[in-house]
Amino acid sequence: AQTVTQSQPEMSVQEAETVTLSCTYDTSESDYYLFWYKQPPSRQMILVIRQEAYKQQNATENRFSVNFQKAAKSFSLKISDSQLGDAAMYFCAYRRGAGANSKLTFGKGITLSVRP
Amino acid sequence: DGGITQSPKYLFRKEGQNVTLSCEQNLNHDAMYWYRQDPGQGLRLIYYSQIVNDFQKGDIAEGYSVSREKKESFPLTVTSAQKNPTAFYLCASSIRGADYNEQFFGPGTRLTVL
Repeated sequence: AQTVTQSQPEMSVQEAETVTLSCTYDTSESDYYLFWYKQPPSRQMILVIRQEAYKQQNATENRFSVNFQKAAKSFSLKISDSQLGDAAMYFCAYRRGAGANSKLTFGKGITLSVRP
Repeated sequence: DGGITQSPKYLFRKEGQNVTLSCEQNLNHDAMYWYRQDPGQGLRLIYYSQIVNDFQKGDIAEGYSVSREKKESFPLTVTSAQKNPTAFYLCASSIRGADYNEQFFGPGTRLTVL
């Protein structure tokens, strides 16, 4: 079974600084997708960024980027120029490749606080 | 606006009672999912459905039941057999078989057993 591990329960960053959130996963599959979701205090889950395993290039969405190390099964999220609105829980998630079984496996999440 | 609605936002239940959580989507998505969120546990999959009239158990299905009679609706019943039902419940939907298959989430229902 696939597992997703987020070993840091909490992190803190100064506003305007950069922070990296770690995630590792375990799978025997070669085709899969990885996601980072954000859950602010409203508890609405929002997709931040996604990465296809077959792509070597790291995904980037504005201030958010990932460091995808397929051999190491590592998928970290880097937030640049941190803003107060970035304070939230962040979940790393895994999904097996395209097909009928599309369920997500989530890590336990990390709470990010942003200091003004 | 297209999206996923969950009702109610807060729900209180007495021990021994069944309760049904509503999830509706107007995104024309084929697949729908129910997750449970507990502090420090992340999201765990309860049930999911790829098409109408079909659904599969997730990782923690015991004490829960679902139905999928309409594409738009995927209600979750928390039965009296669920030993620890107090939690935050999230419903999600996605396009079945899409390349990256992003899941869109509803706002959640907080269930408290008194």
